[in-house]
Amino acid sequence: GAVVSQHPSRVICKSGTSVKIECRSLDFQATTMFWYRQFPKKSLMLMATSNEGSKATYEQGVEKDKFLINHASLTLSTLTVTSAHPEDSSFYICSANNQGPTEAFFGQGTRLTVV
Amino acid sequence: TQLLEQSPQFLSIQEGENLTVYCNSSSVFSSLQWYRQEPGEGPVLLVTVVTGGEVKKLKRLTFQFGDARKDSSLHITAAQPGDTGLYLCAGPRTGANNLFFGTGTRLTVIP
Repeated sequence: GAVVSQHPSRVICKSGTSVKIECRSLDFQATTMFWYRQFPKKSLMLMATSNEGSKATYEQGVEKDKFLINHASLTLSTLTVTSAHPEDSSFYICSANNQGPTEAFFGQGTRLTVV
Repeated sequence: TQLLEQSPQFLSIQEGENLTVYCNSSSVFSSLQWYRQEPGEGPVLLVTVVTGGEVKKLKRLTFQFGDARKDSSLHITAAQPGDTGLYLCAGPRTGANNLFFGTGTRLTVIP
């Protein structure tokens, strides 16, 4: 099946610094990728839709200046958490559709810890 | 507003027991997907159900889509410790091409 690779799997950063998370579709092109956030023992919450060659679409309540998304190619989307704070600590997951929403493939996730 | 409520939220059973997880909504979905997620990993697709009343089997897992396409169930026969994980149902979000996730069921199978 299609593969989506996310990197890094874990990152610890100091408060106030920025962290970049990469999401790559390895064997298919993805004009759209999605970024989710997952709190402990909770389900996935969509943060934003990343669109290749255009601005990302953010869900209500998600700060676009805090969570910068870039989708410069058909196989790569990046999420940058800027000026990270401990409350940004979470599990971030990306996904890409191979053929529509019923063919969504997920990255391995990134555990971000801000100290 | 689309909502996918899963029940139970938590389930702890002994190895060999059977269990059923439910995914319910007041909205009609064109399809529903079931995912399993292990700690520290992304969700992995188990199955997609499309037709109302459809039943799909994946080894010891049986998935059913409700006749009205508003609900789905996942039945596991003779659960094994390897079945432990977070089970998520998901459906296409109205007017978008991404998925809307259910509230999740965390299953623990005790050896």
